[in-house]
Amino acid sequence: AQKITQTQPGMFVQEKEAVTLDCTYDTSDPSYGLFWYKQPSSGEMIFLIYQGSYDQQNATEGRYSLNFQKARKSANLVISASQLGDSAMYFCAMRVQGSSGSARQLTFGSGTQLTVLP
Amino acid sequence: DTGVSQDPRHKITKRGQNVTFRCDPISEHNRLYWYRQTLGQGPEFLTYFQNEAQLEKSRLLSDRFSAERPKGSFSTLEIQRTEQGDSAMYLCASSLSGTGHYEQYFGPGTRLTVT
Repeated sequence: AQKITQTQPGMFVQEKEAVTLDCTYDTSDPSYGLFWYKQPSSGEMIFLIYQGSYDQQNATEGRYSLNFQKARKSANLVISASQLGDSAMYFCAMRVQGSSGSARQLTFGSGTQLTVLP
Repeated sequence: DTGVSQDPRHKITKRGQNVTFRCDPISEHNRLYWYRQTLGQGPEFLTYFQNEAQLEKSRLLSDRFSAERPKGSFSTLEIQRTEQGDSAMYLCASSLSGTGHYEQYFGPGTRLTVT
């Protein structure tokens, strides 16, 4: 069974500072994908960044980067130069193989509520 | 707007009533997913379609739940004889197969409250 663990229910960061949100995962499948999503109070899930299990380099997307440590099974999200608009819930997710063999549904962690302070 | 849309955004119903939600995916996306999210938790997978075929159902999807995607475009999720435990946000997502990353794009969700 696949599992995602996010151990930080809440995090605070000062505006313009960097912050790291932790994510560890568990799977026996050698091929998997890891995702981070942002969920503002409006409720919509916004895709941020993706890391494949065979990718040699850490993924980056603008101010977002993923610190992928395969041996430790961790995929932490780093947000640089935090902005007030970054305040939201952040979810780490893993793509799993469903029983149909092609489902690709996501398994999510419980999330981290990030608050950016002015 | 070319993103995923869901209707209605909010639904309040009495226990025992039936409700139906609609999801319109991004037009070229052939994969469609339904998730359920309760307060303070991450979304949990319910079911998945590739085109019109329902290929995967979670054990969370009891017999009171049914989903369809009749023409491979929009999808509906029906809950019969609603219970208070069904109160949650129901999220729809879509993706395009063969693009490698398989990132899913989510709609705004339908918030269901069962009284």
